[in-house]
Amino acid sequence: TQLLEQSPQFLSIQEGENLTVYCNSSSVFSSLQWYRQEPGEGPVLLVTVVTGGEVKKLKRLTFQFGDARKDSSLHITAAQTGDTGLYLCAPNAGGTSYGKLTFGQGTILTVHP
Amino acid sequence: ETGVTQTPRHLVMGMTNKKSLKCEQHLGHNAMYWYKQSAKKPLELMFVYSLEERVENNSVPSRFSPECPNSSHLFLHLHTLQPEDSALYLCASSQDAGGSAVKLFFGSGTQLSVL
Repeated sequence: TQLLEQSPQFLSIQEGENLTVYCNSSSVFSSLQWYRQEPGEGPVLLVTVVTGGEVKKLKRLTFQFGDARKDSSLHITAAQTGDTGLYLCAPNAGGTSYGKLTFGQGTILTVHP
Repeated sequence: ETGVTQTPRHLVMGMTNKKSLKCEQHLGHNAMYWYKQSAKKPLELMFVYSLEERVENNSVPSRFSPECPNSSHLFLHLHTLQPEDSALYLCASSQDAGGSAVKLFFGSGTQLSVL
């Protein structure tokens, strides 16, 4: 059974600060996705990383897939109140797993003005 | 119309009631999903439908009964639920159900409270 751990579980920061959240697993994955979920809404896909060591940038967000494809990080530069939400990582085993993404428990980020 | 629409947004039901959750996707996708999101637990996949056929059933109790009449609509029929079934129920769709980079599009969810 694969173990998926996201850290930290909670993060409370001031606007303008930088932060990094992590997603670690004991298994190797073909790809990994990051989603953000705002209160009262469903998760929204931010990025998919596929290649070990891959780095993708989405404005102030930088996503990295570990070289061994077992872990990932999300770094936010100069956080804004609009970044507040639950950040979920979702590795995908691929193949015929019918899109069976395994979601982490998430990091709840609160950015204070 | 937004991509994936779920109704109702909120539902309160007694343990003896029968109710249904509805999901509709306007994205032309071939796969639809039901997920359960409880407090302090990761998102749990319940059911997957691909081209209107159920392809995944993650040991979900029979008091939850899915129905997919066509590729745009998905229902979750509920009966004799328990208080521990209270959760946010999320519907999602994707272009295809398999592959290594499936992209899920979620609805806003139905917040269910079982009294």
